[in-house]
Amino acid sequence: EAGVTQSPTHLIKTRGQQVTLRCSPISGHTSVYWYQQALGLGLQFLLWYDEGEERNRGNFPPRFSGRQFPNYSSELNVNALELEDSALYLCASGHSGGVADTQYFGPGTRLTVL
Amino acid sequence: AQSVTQPDIHITVSEGASLELRCNYSYGATPYLFWYVQSPGQGLQLLLKYFSGDTLVQGIKGFEAEFKRSQSSFNLRKPSVHWSDAAEYFCAVAPVKAAGNKLTFGGGTRVLVKP
Repeated sequence: EAGVTQSPTHLIKTRGQQVTLRCSPISGHTSVYWYQQALGLGLQFLLWYDEGEERNRGNFPPRFSGRQFPNYSSELNVNALELEDSALYLCASGHSGGVADTQYFGPGTRLTVL
Repeated sequence: AQSVTQPDIHITVSEGASLELRCNYSYGATPYLFWYVQSPGQGLQLLLKYFSGDTLVQGIKGFEAEFKRSQSSFNLRKPSVHWSDAAEYFCAVAPVKAAGNKLTFGGGTRVLVKP
């Protein structure tokens, strides 16, 4: 069974630019979660999508947004990039988004903002 | 607000020795508990999880964890460490009532294995 896949692996952008990160969940999973792992800040929850809807959002500004497609894949968009957005962005997927949902992570996208 | 504390930022252990990583959580009720491992430049791999029942949980790669309600702890153990266990380990909690279903992570413990 294929795991969670993310693309691209690495990205370099400059301040003010916009970026789109992509995630494909494990087959049969309907929930997608996004996390940011920034140096010194640890792993922080960004967004949760289930059945195409945004279900929960972490403490991030509105320039972080995303969507989930009918095939349950997801995109994370970051507008007006700032230096502190440099981080590893991790996507995870889960079965149902309900109670006792185990999240399985992809390899991440490393974003560097110059 | 819930929080997860991993008191040890770094641990160095000799190959073949035992390993114990500490995790304490602060939460209104017993949450769901997880341990993940992250190798350099990689994503997170689930080692084990606790939802309910037996408080000693077996995971992959020879790891186990014990849930102690009275101590709000979920410590990870391995009897004999292999060089390939060098990685960063994260304890995480999730709310039982699926209030947003987000994972809250500890700060991680980096494990170095000496030959």
